[in-house]
Amino acid sequence: DAGITQSPRHKVTETGTPVTLRCHQTENHRYMYWYRQDPGHGLRLIHYSYGVKDTDKGEVSDGYSVSRSKTEDFLLTLESATSSQTSVYFCAISEAGTAHNSPLHFGNGTRLTVT
Amino acid sequence: AQKVTQAQTEISVVEKEDVTLDCVYETRDTTYYLFWYKQPPSGELVFLIRRNSFDEQNEISGRYSWNFQKSTSSFNFTITASQVVDSAVYFCALRSSNTGNQFYFGTGTSLTVIP
Repeated sequence: DAGITQSPRHKVTETGTPVTLRCHQTENHRYMYWYRQDPGHGLRLIHYSYGVKDTDKGEVSDGYSVSRSKTEDFLLTLESATSSQTSVYFCAISEAGTAHNSPLHFGNGTRLTVT
Repeated sequence: AQKVTQAQTEISVVEKEDVTLDCVYETRDTTYYLFWYKQPPSGELVFLIRRNSFDEQNEISGRYSWNFQKSTSSFNFTITASQVVDSAVYFCALRSSNTGNQFYFGTGTSLTVIP
């Protein structure tokens, strides 16, 4: 199994509070991703990173920011959580490669509830 | 634009029946990669298979088989003699050479195998 650790695994927070989710990998993979999973929507990309300090937005990036100061860590921050951000968040990693055929490997997810 | 469609939202079969999960994709790229993932009730996302656009050879792995047809832009997944342990949500995903950093997921098919 790919060495990906997400923390926390569960979190309940109140509307308007900041929240940071952490993803840590031990595989030295270049690419890291944050997805959210919601019923009826499957997996939607929030942000991804293609190297230290190199990040880009996904399809549902509003209300989220990310940072990657080290290869192994990718942080997802909700500056002011809203109830619509209640979801299961998955971190994923992928190797670099010109062929782009490397699969994603996922962490175990973080269940976030915003009350 | 890249898009993956899994039209079957939920499927129920009786144990030992065969079942096929459909995946239709859209891309204008000539080089792309297709993936299937399994998400059992425990919640983790497990990589099952990868297929390159230039390799239309079907693949069989035990009770699992995959049928890739470029002519119909489909990458269907068949489980033969289904078992209760096959109950899960299955996701199809696309990654292309021109959007190499991003994966595009379908909304998933929830399979229930009834004993």
